[in-house]
Amino acid sequence: TQLLEQSPQFLSIQEGENLTVYCNSSSVFSSLQWYRQEPGEGPVLLVTVVTGGEVKKLKRLTFQFGDARKDSSLHITAAQPGDTGLYLCAGVTSYGKLTFGQGTILTVHP
Amino acid sequence: DSGVTQTPKHLITATGQRVTLRCSPRSGDLSVYWYQQSLDQGLQFLIQYYNGEERAKGNILERFSAQQFPDLHSELNLSSLELGDSALYFCASSVAGADYEQYFGPGTRLTVT
Repeated sequence: TQLLEQSPQFLSIQEGENLTVYCNSSSVFSSLQWYRQEPGEGPVLLVTVVTGGEVKKLKRLTFQFGDARKDSSLHITAAQPGDTGLYLCAGVTSYGKLTFGQGTILTVHP
Repeated sequence: DSGVTQTPKHLITATGQRVTLRCSPRSGDLSVYWYQQSLDQGLQFLIQYYNGEERAKGNILERFSAQQFPDLHSELNLSSLELGDSALYFCASSVAGADYEQYFGPGTRLTVT
């Protein structure tokens, strides 16, 4: 079983602060995806990283894929209340299955 | 709006019963995925269909089954329901395999009493 461990599970910060969410595994993934989910809705894909060491930026969000393709991080700069939600990482295995981490619940207070 | 539709939105039923959840993928998407999301287990992959054929299987119980029809819509059948089956069930679709972007539907909230 390929497990993805996300940390922290909960994050409560003030508007303007920076934060980092980590996603770690002992397994290698062909690619890794980050999703954001709001209450009552399905997850929405933010980014897919494919190459070891890859860094992708999406406005204030920076995603990094580890060199060995076993871990990833999501860094948010100057968090805003609109960033509040559940952030999920998901690893794609070589045989096409998507394994999700437990998620990080982020709350950004105004 | 992801373009993926799921019905019903809410379902309340009793233990031992059987229910069917329905999913219509985005236009043009050939793959459909089913996921179960509960507070203690997180988002768990159940099963994937590609163009009518089962492609990958996850943690799907034997009491659960799914199929994808020629028009590409999919149904997830849950039988002999137990209290622990209460969860959000999501359907997602993608153009092809899991490494393509998956678009999630709004989910069906199943409550077993």
